[in-house]
Amino acid sequence: SAVISQKPSRDICQRGTSLTIQCQVDSQVTMMFWYRQQPGQSLTLIATANQGSEATYESGFVIDKFPISRPNLTFSTLTVSNMSPEDSSIYLCSVGQSRTGELFFGEGSRLTVL
Amino acid sequence: GENVEQHPSTLSVQEGDSAVIKCTYSDSASNYFPWYKQELGKGPQLIIDIRSNVGEKKDQRIAVTLNKTAKHFSLHITETQPEDSAVYFCAASYTDKLIFGTGTRLQVFP
Repeated sequence: SAVISQKPSRDICQRGTSLTIQCQVDSQVTMMFWYRQQPGQSLTLIATANQGSEATYESGFVIDKFPISRPNLTFSTLTVSNMSPEDSSIYLCSVGQSRTGELFFGEGSRLTVL
Repeated sequence: GENVEQHPSTLSVQEGDSAVIKCTYSDSASNYFPWYKQELGKGPQLIIDIRSNVGEKKDQRIAVTLNKTAKHFSLHITETQPEDSAVYFCAASYTDKLIFGTGTRLQVFP
């Protein structure tokens, strides 16, 4: 399985600001995804990060709020824009093994918005 | 779209007892069913998975069963230990994505 590193691991942010989360993988991967996990809840897919093209967003998530970059096959960023307390969540980067369909997760970035 | 239901939401067992977590899914085209364990402050970790051409899979103390006709699958943990305490998530494939269940908080008391 790939080693997935996320930064920051946690942060406390002020309402109205934006924060960019970085995801670095130790090998080239085709499929990278961003998930949100609200406190005590399950995992919800935000978007698929496509290398060289715009991300594909799930229903309820928009690019203006969650812009995503994927400049190469080992790196992606997710920005949470104009944050409100409702954005307080764990944001998880994940990578998929296209051959097996297995999905692996980073340790997550825990955001608290005051 | 796919919907995955998971029960129970919490489960408390005595060390050494067995634990069973059940999930149902809605899309008959789903063919991949992984289980994840999430410890406090960590990301989900893949612990076992099963594909639609298999009815059961076992790995040491954990096993997963799949009933495609009934569209449900279960995680079985035998001889539970305190380190099994965590939140467990089931998931089902839907097109090229995974849809997750709502999670089960398992507590194993010594």
